[in-house]
This record gives sequence, structure tokens and C-alpha cells, in this order.
Amino acid sequence: DQQVKQNSPSLSVQEGRISILNCDYTNSMFDYFLWYKKYPAEGPTFLISISSIKDKNEDGRFTVFLNKSAKHLSLHIVPSQPGDSAVYFCAARSGGSNYKLTFGKGTLLTVNP
Amino acid sequence: NAGVTQTPKFQVLKTGQSMTLQCAQDMNHNSMYWYRQDPGMGLRLIYYSASEGTTDKGEVPNGYNVSRLNKREFSLRLESAAPSQTSVYFCASTLMGTGTYGYTFGSGTRLTVV
Repeated sequence: DQQVKQNSPSLSVQEGRISILNCDYTNSMFDYFLWYKKYPAEGPTFLISISSIKDKNEDGRFTVFLNKSAKHLSLHIVPSQPGDSAVYFCAARSGGSNYKLTFGKGTLLTVNP
Repeated sequence: NAGVTQTPKFQVLKTGQSMTLQCAQDMNHNSMYWYRQDPGMGLRLIYYSASEGTTDKGEVPNGYNVSRLNKREFSLRLESAAPSQTSVYFCASTLMGTGTYGYTFGSGTRLTVV
């Protein structure tokens, strides 16, 4: 049973346009959500996060939106750049003390020049 | 600023062989994790250690064992490798209790079992 779902395996956008990556979750106990970026042959790197008590968090070109009622979050990248081409993982943390993250399957973003 | 260091980076094993994947972090983190990444499957938690002296199973622990050797090191052992364990393995760490929830990942170990 997949608790964190990224239903789009891939996304292709033009440089300068907006990239929107989506993530759905099923576990109401998740209290923190994170996005990770992964280049080939490297480990994932933390990008941006949001607490379940907020609905938006912004960091430069990256904004994460959380809709708790829909159990949906999205990552917006504006403007998209070719260097943003990577696999993006959505992750969620269960409330509690063990800090375990559950990851989605990832979305491959390709930004075309 | 080494962060999380994993060794080896690549390994080929024959079915039935054993090996240990090493992970060390120099950030004074208290929690450490082992994930595997398979095509189309995302990152799945194998084992984790919330603090030195404790280890717990994750989502896919079968066929693996772990040792939290000290605060810095967390190793993953395959006692009898199987082709289904062909994967990329990532070690991660975090500092629990600080209000930040991001993991720092190593660069991965690519394991092939033939």
C-alpha cells in the first residue's frame, strides 16, 4: 500500500516556464513533507519542506503548496532552468519520534533549453 | 565537509556471497538509515537506527542485517546475496530533535548480484 504517490513518472517543460510536480498521500498522520532532488549517480539532496500546519512555503524559485483536505502537495519551480533537470522525490514524515521518511517513486523532470 | 560517506561505490557479487556496506557520517547526527532504490520503486527503507544502540526494521528488511557500530557508523550486511538485492543502496542521517527533518544522503552503493 503506497502511502506517498507521485503519479507522473516524467514531466517535460521549456526553460523559463513553470514546472509543477504533484504528490498525493494517504496517511493522515504525516506531519511534515519534503521534496528531494536527485541527479544521476548522486544521492538525493534536500530541496524544500513544509509543515502540515502550513499551506505554503517558498524558497527562491521553489514553492511547495499543501492541501491537507485533499491530501495533496505540489512543488512549483519558476522559472525552470535546464539545471533543474533531475528526479524529484516527495517524502513524508509520520508524527512521532523515529523520523522515518516515506518516499514516493519520483518524477523525472526534464527542462528543455 | 564530507557529510555521509558510503563504501564501496560499486560492487558485483555472486549469488550466495556475503558483504557489508559501510556508512559513516561526520555531522554528529544521531539517526541513520539505509534505503534501497530500484527502478520505478522510489526509495524504500531497509533498516534504521534512531539513536546509537538501537536498530529497527523498515519496509523491506528481509535478507539484511545492520550494525550501529558507534554514533558515526551504520553498516548494512547481506549474509547471502540474491539477484533480487541488485539495487542502489543509500545511507542517510539526520539530527533528531532539532525541528529539522531533512536527511543527508550519501552518494550510494551500486550493487549487482549475478
